[in-house]
Order: sequence, then C-alpha cells, then structure tokens
Amino acid sequence: DIQLTQSPSFLSASVGDRVTITCRASQGTNNYLAWYQQKPGNAPRLLIYAASTLQSGVPSRFSGSGSGTEFTLTISSLQPEDFASYYCQQLYSYPLTFGGGTKVEIK
Amino acid sequence: QMQLQESGPGLVKPSETLSLACTVSGGSINGYHWGWIRQSPGKGLEWIGLINLSGPTYYNPSLWGRATISADTSQNQFSLKLTSVTAADTAVYYCGRRTVVAGGWFDAWGQGTLVTVSS
Repeated sequence: DIQLTQSPSFLSASVGDRVTITCRASQGTNNYLAWYQQKPGNAPRLLIYAASTLQSGVPSRFSGSGSGTEFTLTISSLQPEDFASYYCQQLYSYPLTFGGGTKVEIK
Repeated sequence: QMQLQESGPGLVKPSETLSLACTVSGGSINGYHWGWIRQSPGKGLEWIGLINLSGPTYYNPSLWGRATISADTSQNQFSLKLTSVTAADTAVYYCGRRTVVAGGWFDAWGQGTLVTVSS
C-alpha cells in the first residue's frame, strides 16, 4: 500500500497568510495525486487533481505542485472560507489511500 | 450536473450487515467508476472500494473481504454491503464518482450518511 503522510496535521493561520501543506508518499504515484477540502458536516470537495491541475470552479489562490513522492498544496492568501480540513489522496494504485489530513484553523 | 445521494439505515446491530445505496441523478452511471469512502467520527477518510461497470471491482484489504459493491444500471444506482459489522464500522459513509482516466480523481460526492453500529 502507498502510505501518505501529511504535514502539518494542524495549522493555525491568519486571513491573508500564505499556507503550504505537504503530502509525502511512501513510493511514487506517477503524480496521480488529488487534494480535497472538507468543512465540518460536509463531503470532501475536489480542489486539485493530477498533482497540479485546478478543478473547475476552485479559486486560483489554491495551487498544487510536486512530483515523485513529495507534493504540496498552497493557498496563496488565506480567506475566511478556507478554514477547513485538507486531505491528499493517491490514485495510482489500489488500495487508494488518503493522507491523515491537515486542519487549518484561525489564529 | 450529476448528483449523488446515499440512503440506508442509520443504525445497524453488531454482527449484522450494513447496506447502503447511492442513487445518481442528472446523468447515467455508465461512463464512470463509482466508489465508497467512509469517515469515522473525528477521523480521516478511508477508501472502501470501487466498482468499474465494465471491469473489476476493487476493495480495501483492510476490510478483510467484508465489503461488496454492486451496481444496478436500470436504477442508476450502486450499493455497498458490509458484513459482520462492529462498532469500528460506525462512520459517515460517502459515495463518490471517479473519472475514467488514468489516475482518475473523485470529482463528485454524495452528502454522506451516518451509520451507527450499536445494539
């Protein structure tokens, strides 16, 4: 199984901050990696797929980068609606796996 | 726009079988792959399995063969059965649509349904 390790698991930030979340894979994923945002009581929402492609309708302040086994999700200027949990997922091999999540809270 | 809706009992007794359905509206289930994902209270996301309507079905080995996913194209829905449930299976269960490309992603999700395992 491909293990995904997200860091940090918790992040406290202010509106306007630049935020970076890292996802490290235990082996290569051919860049078949997605990022999701989840707010309490809601289903996950796709933000980024194929490591760096922005899903339609997602604000451009979100970006994804990386290759090989290390990937990042960046929010260029944190907005009030961005306070949520974020998960990476590898879609390269079965079983599909998720990272442990990063909770972004208001400082 | 395609919408997904989970349905099924919210309470299941230990050792019994959890049965959920996901009804897809706004489009046909043909042409996509369909999966189940769950989230235990306060925890992260766990992939359960995925059905390819024209190919194999895949499951998370962590479920030890307890999960079965099937589809009914005439009803435009797919289903999950999870046998021999325990309290550890208490979770919000989501159904999701996976795009049919290499490394396809989950771009549509149901709202989720909470299933509690308790006597």
